[in-house]
Formats: sequence, C-alpha cells, structure tokens
Amino acid sequence: KAGVTQTPRYLIKTRGQQVTLSCSPISGHRSVSWYQQTPGQGLQFLFEYFSETQRNKGNFPGRFSGRQFSNSRSEMNVSTLELGDSALYLCASRFTGTGDTEAFFGQGTRLTVV
Amino acid sequence: DQQVKQNSPSLSVQEGRISILNCDYTNSMFDYFLWYKKYPAEGPTFLISISSIKDKNEDGRFTVFLNKSAKHLSLHIVPSQPGDSAVYFCAASPSVFSGSARQLTFGSGTQLTVLP
Repeated sequence: KAGVTQTPRYLIKTRGQQVTLSCSPISGHRSVSWYQQTPGQGLQFLFEYFSETQRNKGNFPGRFSGRQFSNSRSEMNVSTLELGDSALYLCASRFTGTGDTEAFFGQGTRLTVV
Repeated sequence: DQQVKQNSPSLSVQEGRISILNCDYTNSMFDYFLWYKKYPAEGPTFLISISSIKDKNEDGRFTVFLNKSAKHLSLHIVPSQPGDSAVYFCAASPSVFSGSARQLTFGSGTQLTVLP
C-alpha cells in the first residue's frame, strides 16, 4: 500500500512568486491536513480538507490556501511568497479524521524562498 | 498560545540508558495523545499513543505515561539505541465529543541524541 506522496520534494522560489504543492494521500483516506515546520516552531497546522471541503483552518494569512479534489488529492498554494515562508511543508492523511486520530505523513516539500 | 509544549529542545542519553521525553498541554479538551518520531528529510512517523482513560501504554521499548491532573505526558525509551536519535513530537487531539474534527496539535519537538 503506497504511503503519502508529496511533490515536489524541493523547491526554490523568489520573493513575490507563488507556489503550488501537491499531496496524494494513502488510498482510501479522505482527510488531508497540511502543516508547516520551521526550526523551533514544531508543526504548525495550516488546514484540513475532507471530501473536498475545508474542515479546519489554522492561524495563517490568506496567502495560504488549499483545495482537495474528488480523488482526495490535495494542493496547497502560497501566493506572494515571503522569506519567512521558507519551511518544510508536510501533508498528512487520515481515513476520516474523526474517529481515528493517527495521521500518516508524507516526506514533505522543502520550500526555500530567496 | 502554545497548547502543547515540549520545553526541552534537546536531550542526550547514553546508549542502553533510559530516555525520558516530556510534554505538557493546556487544553482540557484534549483526550488523545500521540508521539511521533522524525528523521531528517523524512516525514514524522507514528510511534505510540494513549487515550485519556489510561495512564500508561506500552509498546516494546516505548512507554507513554499520562498524568491528566498535571496535564503532562512523557515518553520513556528503554533501552535507548543510537537508531532512536531523531526529533520526537508529542501531539494532542480533542475529544470526539467536542464537535471538532479531532485536529492534531503538535509540540515543538525534542531532538534526542543517543550516544554510543
């Protein structure tokens, strides 16, 4: 059974540009959450999608957005990139995210903004 | 406002000894707790969990203890091995009755180094 797949693994962008990251969850999982990891800050929750609907949102500016497709694949978009957006972006999938809580993570996308 | 806190950013332990990683939480709605391990350039992997109806859960070398009154949990690794060197994150989830989607809230992590 394939795990959570994130693409690309590494990305370098310039300030002011926008970026789209992709996440394919484990087959059959319908919940996809996105996290930002920066040194010393742990994993900061961005948002969660379930059945193509955003179910939860963290405390991030509107430049961060996402969506989920009917096959549960999810994309995250960051517009008008800032240097502080440089981080490891992780996506996690769960079957439903309600009764079950264990989340399975992808390897992440390392975004560097220069 | 950090609802889940790991106050020790790093911990070094000798191989064969016990590693104790600590985690505190503030939200009384949390009732399910998990530990994840993360190696560099990889995503976190699930290690062990505990429900608030228990105060201890054991899986091989890993034991998690929960003290609800103190809002504190700890992960014990015995005996510690060099391969255990990684960043350990604790995470907490609200009650299924809270009406939320049981979103995981993570601590900032503790870098464990097991010295050979």
